[in-house]
Amino acid sequence: GQQVMQIPQYQHVQEGEDFTTYCNSSTTLSNIQWYKQRPGGHPVFLIQLVKSGEVKKQKRLTFQFGEAKKNSSLHITATQTTDVGTYFCAYTGTASKLTFGTGTRLQVTL
Amino acid sequence: GAGVSQSPSNKVTEKGKDVELRCDPISGHTALYWYRQSLGQGLEFLIYFQGNSAPDKSGLPSDRFSAERTGGSVSTLTIQRTQQEDSAVYLCASLVAGGDYEQYFGPGTRLTVT
Repeated sequence: GQQVMQIPQYQHVQEGEDFTTYCNSSTTLSNIQWYKQRPGGHPVFLIQLVKSGEVKKQKRLTFQFGEAKKNSSLHITATQTTDVGTYFCAYTGTASKLTFGTGTRLQVTL
Repeated sequence: GAGVSQSPSNKVTEKGKDVELRCDPISGHTALYWYRQSLGQGLEFLIYFQGNSAPDKSGLPSDRFSAERTGGSVSTLTIQRTQQEDSAVYLCASLVAGGDYEQYFGPGTRLTVT
């Protein structure tokens, strides 16, 4: 399957600053999922977006699926140290097979 | 209920030895996946089982890798004649195919080949 690129690869922010990671595909995706992986941990599902232009919020996290369904973003408002980890986007193709993006590692310092 | 479990949590083996990694999916989950994650890298799909259908083996990197799923539940990933480049965390995930789309991941097995 195609590769889904995420930018940036790494970001270091001060606690309280905002953070955004972008997920880009060259072709239309049927859906996009977001996962968070804490250091030393395993990926944990955050959300799935399906509709063009869809926006969903979870407390300080805002997820968006582009109008063309080729890109997505995850925005965190006022980061906290508990937000540290790697954020992956992923999409399901045939047979629910998940293809993961390259990931964005977030570091938050006081 | 219990989540996805994997064993062992850590495995150190010598180059050339065979290893078996085990995954116990969530009860009732009909789909099971294996992924590999090298240090600081993303997740690489290895193999997918769905019910009694033939598994999707398209992600297995070589014929040294194989996997079984017995009785539609427990799965074993076997790596024969291990190489140093096989060192990685091997993650298993399960879901209820046709229903919930969320994949539930196990804690992984960290394999180190010396």
